[in-house]
Amino acid sequence: DAKTTQPPSMDCAEGRAANLPCNHSTISGNEYVYWYRQIHSQGPQYIIHGLKNNETNEMASLIITEDRKSSTLILPHATLRDTAVYYCIVMRHGGSNYKLTFGKGTLLTVNP
Amino acid sequence: GAGVSQSPSNKVTEKGKDVELRCDPISGHTALYWYRQSLGQGLEFLIYFQGNSAPDKSGLPSDRFSAERTGGSVSTLTIQRTQQEDSAVYLCASSLSSGEVNEKLFFGSGTQLSVL
Repeated sequence: DAKTTQPPSMDCAEGRAANLPCNHSTISGNEYVYWYRQIHSQGPQYIIHGLKNNETNEMASLIITEDRKSSTLILPHATLRDTAVYYCIVMRHGGSNYKLTFGKGTLLTVNP
Repeated sequence: GAGVSQSPSNKVTEKGKDVELRCDPISGHTALYWYRQSLGQGLEFLIYFQGNSAPDKSGLPSDRFSAERTGGSVSTLTIQRTQQEDSAVYLCASSLSSGEVNEKLFFGSGTQLSVL
């Protein structure tokens, strides 16, 4: 599976949009981009995923560049409860993709 | 509750003792995963169960680690003769299936294991 690169940390003001970048320049055509987050002392939580098109759900939006080499997770109105480590991973469906490794992610701190 | 349940939430044990960690997946989820997360580190895959198929144990770090899943539901991760390096958060996750279009994993809150 392709590796990803994320900044180790970011800050965001409460109520503002948080834009978390992820580089995945070696992504394959059949690999999806997934985002999870992990709030302190909790297990990871699924946020969103996509293949080529931009996606939006009740939690966030996912913008994938046309060449699919990078993506951005957008939290439109960050709250203090969004403070967490955000993980970007790429994986294909099926096979042994369950052996996914989340890496160290981006620690997003939302400030009041 | 509708989520993945793990117990105990915290376990402190002495070096050399055996421990058992329990995971109750979401009802109807056929795939179950165990991961380990050491302090400040990412997730490390341990073992994967899918329905009645033989589990993928390739992530287990040593033969002191074993896991079983009874009746396709509850799973127990056992660590024998615990060592201090086993100290970590042990996370369980479940999903509807592996290989389907939707690969969302639902995680429990984990068991914090401390080996003294």
